[in-house]
Amino acid sequence: GAGVSQTPSNKVTEKGKYVELRCDPISGHTALYWYRQSLGQGPEFLIYFQGTGAADDSGLPNDRFFAVRPEGSVSTLKIQRTERGDSAVYLCASSLGGFQNNEQFFGPGTRLTVL
Amino acid sequence: KNQVEQSPQSLIILEGKNCTLQCNYTVSPFSNLRWYKQDTGRGPVSLTIMTFSENTKSNGRYTATLDADTKQSSLHITASQLSDSASYICVVTNTGGFKTIFGAGTRLFVKA
Repeated sequence: GAGVSQTPSNKVTEKGKYVELRCDPISGHTALYWYRQSLGQGPEFLIYFQGTGAADDSGLPNDRFFAVRPEGSVSTLKIQRTERGDSAVYLCASSLGGFQNNEQFFGPGTRLTVL
Repeated sequence: KNQVEQSPQSLIILEGKNCTLQCNYTVSPFSNLRWYKQDTGRGPVSLTIMTFSENTKSNGRYTATLDADTKQSSLHITASQLSDSASYICVVTNTGGFKTIFGAGTRLFVKA
């Protein structure tokens, strides 16, 4: 594809449910990032993958959050036992290499609403 | 602790006017600073990137400046257009921890 895609674009769930958010990065990009953005705030770093491995997961808020990238391409962010405070836009980005000077290209985000 | 501070929080200007957005950071050691534009409902898109040795970078009507000594950056928008209405986010990456820190953004509204 031409850019980073994320599905679904919107997800409404009930408190306590499990959700999965998917990210398809730009083909050939080895680095993939997940961010969470609350209304009126900048994106907050969650996790960074280099290839299949999580190079930095220090931004995950607690053990209800988990992300995988089993084949080094598509990534899934998984949230267990969702809480109302998890409501936000979840952004995915990819880049050719690691952070440094490589531009991160962002997807449109998944808007998660926990009722 | 917020390591990237942006001002103003929001700004309203008339079409055709210029404006300047500010970014102060404490992220260290510094690798690069980017300005992103984020339209409503979309992901951020990079406008400019500057490394330590660069103090100005232009992209069309957007000009970013960087003072690495005072740890300040600005984004100047010339002859604003209605399509410039968006959030502008300052992003700083450090070299040590490979962390990318986003500011909260400045919400710009351009009125006809």
